[in-house]
Amino acid sequence: QSVLTQPPSVSAAPGQGVTISCSGSGSNIGQNYVSWYQHVPGTAPKLLIYENNKRPSGIADRISGSKSGTSGTLGITGLQAGDEADYYCGTWDSSLSAYVFGTGTKVTV
Amino acid sequence: QGQLVQSGAEVKKPGASVKVSCKASGYRLIDQFMDWVRQAPGQGLEWMGRIDPSGGGTSYAQKFQGRFTVTRDTSTSTVYMELSSLRSEDTAVYYCGRVGHDYVHFDNWGQGTLVTVSS
Repeated sequence: QSVLTQPPSVSAAPGQGVTISCSGSGSNIGQNYVSWYQHVPGTAPKLLIYENNKRPSGIADRISGSKSGTSGTLGITGLQAGDEADYYCGTWDSSLSAYVFGTGTKVTV
Repeated sequence: QGQLVQSGAEVKKPGASVKVSCKASGYRLIDQFMDWVRQAPGQGLEWMGRIDPSGGGTSYAQKFQGRFTVTRDTSTSTVYMELSSLRSEDTAVYYCGRVGHDYVHFDNWGQGTLVTVSS
């Protein structure tokens, strides 16, 4: 019962783009930065975006993030087969005093 | 950049406890918080708790209060998580995650430890 809501799945053809939404509330996204992770179950999650829109070194510029009010968005352009994975948003929830993840979105290329 | 290496897979019986380690290298353990996150089969990522390795202060998700403990050994740069009164629903892959300097993202992760609870 995550407090951050994402679409269960998105899909697009190779070379196309997708966006993934992350809907929260004033106690989480409304007050704190959003981060995004790529995860293949059984392997370590990978940080894609932090502080709403910053990319760690090594993350391609076809990955982007944004935040508006109580929602965050991840964008991926130029989709590749290697982008197939689960994607999670995350942030701190000040009311719960807990880190919260989104429900997760499966990307199919 | 640093690296986090976790201990190996565990199989436990219901009611038992499990302790998983996360050894940090390539940076100072005390410089960044460390969290534990798990993923049960077919489920999403779930935050369990956090430790400040510098002072040892902890914060736990309400769901795990009372049976989840995070500790650290600064002499070996290792963080531990212990989960007690295990039940089948605790079968999951457990990850340690290093918290970034804004305290709201994870900039490094362990490889994961599978804990299986089965009679």
